[in-house]
This record gives sequence, C-alpha cells and structure tokens, in this order.
Amino acid sequence: GENVEQHPSTLSVQEGDSAVIKCTYSDSASNYFPWYKQELGKGPQLIIDIRSNVGEKKDQRIAVTLNKTAKHFSLHITETQPEDSAVYFCAASTSGTYKYIFGTGTRLKVLA
Amino acid sequence: GAVVSQHPSWVICKSGTSVKIECRSLDFQATTMFWYRQFPKQSLMLMATSNEGSKATYEQGVEKDKFLINHASLTLSTLTVTSAHPEDSSFYICSALDQNTGELFFGEGSRLTVL
Repeated sequence: GENVEQHPSTLSVQEGDSAVIKCTYSDSASNYFPWYKQELGKGPQLIIDIRSNVGEKKDQRIAVTLNKTAKHFSLHITETQPEDSAVYFCAASTSGTYKYIFGTGTRLKVLA
Repeated sequence: GAVVSQHPSWVICKSGTSVKIECRSLDFQATTMFWYRQFPKQSLMLMATSNEGSKATYEQGVEKDKFLINHASLTLSTLTVTSAHPEDSSFYICSALDQNTGELFFGEGSRLTVL
C-alpha cells in the first residue's frame, strides 16, 4: 500500500523567511496530493492541493510542487507569519478512492 | 464552504463504558465518510471507510467489534467505541465526501479520554 514520508518533523523559521516541507510517496498510482494545516485541538484544514497532471500550483504565499518521476512533492510558504505556526500534513490518494494516506506531520514555528 | 460537524468535541468516560461520536455533513450529502485516529503529536491514521446504507470497511488492524460504525443517513455517520479502555484515549476525526463536488471535508475532531 501507499506510504508517505514527510520531512522535517519540526521547522523553525524567522518571520518573513520561507519554509519548505517535503514529502515522498511510494505508490505510483497516487495522483492527488493535498496539504493540510492543523492547529492545536482542531481538525485539519485544506490549504492547497495538486493533481498529478500539473507540476506546480500557487495560491498567494503558498505553493506546492510535484515531481512524479521522483515521487515527491513539496509545500513552500513564503513571507511566513506567526499565524502560520501549526502542524502541516501532506497526504496522497488515488483519484476516486479518497482514502488519504497522511505524512507524519511537520510542526512549523514562525518566530516573531 | 461546506462544514462537517463532530459531536461531542470532547468526552471523558470511565473504563468499560461505550462512547458514541457523531459526524454530520451540514450542507451536503455524503455517501462516504472516513474515520481517523490521531495520537498526540502523531499523524492521522485511517481507521475505516463509512458507507451509507452498507457495512463499513475497516483498515487492517482496526477491530470492527471495538469500533462500531453506523452510516444510516446521507448526512450522519457515528463511531461507537465499545467497552472503552485508557488505550482508546485519542483524538478521533471524521471526514465527509461531497459527492457532488468530489471534495473531502474534515470535522473538528473529538477528543476521547478514558479514565
């Protein structure tokens, strides 16, 4: 089955700097890759996603890149703000199944 | 946007009792819902897929008699933790699939503490 690895497990950046979180997946059939932000005691919130037919997607300060050949995808947050501090999860799934396999999470801390 | 509601948001119970957690899709119909379990500082682990009108599909290692799932309507799935023990203490999260848009929405989670 699918296995998703995520790095780093923790990340501290200064406010205004960029943050990059990387994930790798094992199942070449996976074709949908969402990223979630989870704040303490709350459920995950979708922040951006990418499908396998594109290599990059951007939404304001957030971007995601996908390398299908290498089976890895990354989340990029620019101009980080303290409110970006949270745990971020990547996930992989195959279109139509909606069974998301989550990465292990990255705890991002943005220092003011 | 679409909302998925979970209730209760937190519950404390004695060992040996059963606890029911509800997951509702508030403004869309969901024939498929998913239940996850999350331990502190860990990732979400898929427990089961809840299918409206049929039996749930459990992931390997998840005891179906321990975690009873009922999806009796297009907007409600319930997870019952039977004969709960302290090791069942966890954060339980559901998600619901909007069949019209294909989007998946997550609930806010339910924190179960078994004493």
